[in-house]
Amino acid sequence: DSGVTQTPKHLITATGQRVTLRCSPRSGDLSVYWYQQSLDQGLQFLIQYYNGEERAKGNILERFSAQQFPDLHSELNLSSLELGDSALYFCASSVRDRIIYNEQFFGPGTRLTVL
Amino acid sequence: AQKITQTQPGMFVQEKEAVTLDCTYDTSDQSYGLFWYKQPSSGEMIFLIYQGSYDEQNATEGRYSLNFQKARKSANLVISASQLGDSAMYFCAMREGGDNYGQNFVFGPGTRLSVLP
Repeated sequence: DSGVTQTPKHLITATGQRVTLRCSPRSGDLSVYWYQQSLDQGLQFLIQYYNGEERAKGNILERFSAQQFPDLHSELNLSSLELGDSALYFCASSVRDRIIYNEQFFGPGTRLTVL
Repeated sequence: AQKITQTQPGMFVQEKEAVTLDCTYDTSDQSYGLFWYKQPSSGEMIFLIYQGSYDEQNATEGRYSLNFQKARKSANLVISASQLGDSAMYFCAMREGGDNYGQNFVFGPGTRLSVLP
């Protein structure tokens, strides 16, 4: 158990809908990262927050947005969902804002299925 | 061009033998980091080992070692004394950028390792 929690574990929804994925980092970790893992695109980095502030942006679509709240939990919002958004979404956390040495601790993921 | 290449989609190794998983990377940054992660069939991502671009010695973590050849831009993972529980997907990843802002993380396509009894 990494100490990172993600809810829900599974989510099934329809095209055009909007969903929110939630992540609670390990106690004391200030950085949160979001990743998408799909069969055709592999693992892709979406976005990073550090202590409530956006720090880095990867291949995140404009239909997707994220935020980190004062209690450090983070939410990833996916809107106007398409079939291709079906994927496993991981959240990871780390202590610092920069990954220089220490690893990111991954949550168990949220499996999103868009029908 | 792919930033992380893992040329072995699948590998087999006999239990107790050593195995090397290949990874080559492409970056123009001077400061970067290389990671290996393990993803068992249960789906979670497990950190294995890290190598910084300025580290002169190869990283080691228990049975895992990283064979870092900077000039060749390769960061191969060596697993010694393979165990059945090592059967999983292995991802090589790179962190580019050493500044506080604008880091990017790139993952390779993965290598599926199967350990045979």
